[in-house]
Amino acid sequence: SQTIHQWPATLVQPVGSPLSLECTVEGTSNPNLYWYRQAAGRGLQLLFYSVGIGQISSEVPQNLSASRPQDRQFILSSKKLLLSDSGFYLCAWSSPGHNEKLFFGSGTQLSVL
Amino acid sequence: QKEVEQDPGPLSVPEGAIVSLNCTYSNSAFQYFMWYRQYSRKGPELLMYTYSSGNKEDGRFTAQVDKSSKYISLFIRDSQPSDSATYLCAMSLYNFNKFYFGSGTKLNVKP
Repeated sequence: SQTIHQWPATLVQPVGSPLSLECTVEGTSNPNLYWYRQAAGRGLQLLFYSVGIGQISSEVPQNLSASRPQDRQFILSSKKLLLSDSGFYLCAWSSPGHNEKLFFGSGTQLSVL
Repeated sequence: QKEVEQDPGPLSVPEGAIVSLNCTYSNSAFQYFMWYRQYSRKGPELLMYTYSSGNKEDGRFTAQVDKSSKYISLFIRDSQPSDSATYLCAMSLYNFNKFYFGSGTKLNVKP
């Protein structure tokens, strides 16, 4: 069966510090991978998605970036965090050609202070 | 206009009630429809998905799609306090790698 791992669960970082959130998927090949952000009491905002290694589509450039160094690994990064980067970050995957299902990781609560 | 509209609630019901959660959408090309349950500070969990008009049932949950009205619903029968969560609807297109989410409805089932 397929599983998605996302870590860390909670992160508190000072303004201006770097960020690296990691997500891995097991039990499937060549998944589509996604990073979402969810602000408190609000909906899901798509940040990045990837259909293959090294292929990243950006929806909200700002000061975040994403990379996909391996087939089932997706990384969200920032060189310098802003207060506005605080939020709940979710990694997700779907099978190519199967857009009827999207599966989420457990999320990372990021607080930038 | 947002592509997917969902009443944020909160919706408060007594235990055992039938709950109706709804979303409307503007893009008639949407083909896949999903419902997620999200507990506080957890990732959304896929409850049900469907890709046709009509009803799909799974235990206490029924997903209903009316493509002619661009309206989808999730019904929860015999609601339990453990159903208290935020429910998100989502939609997608065939062969297009994006998902469109409602903002979520917060449900509180009182014992």
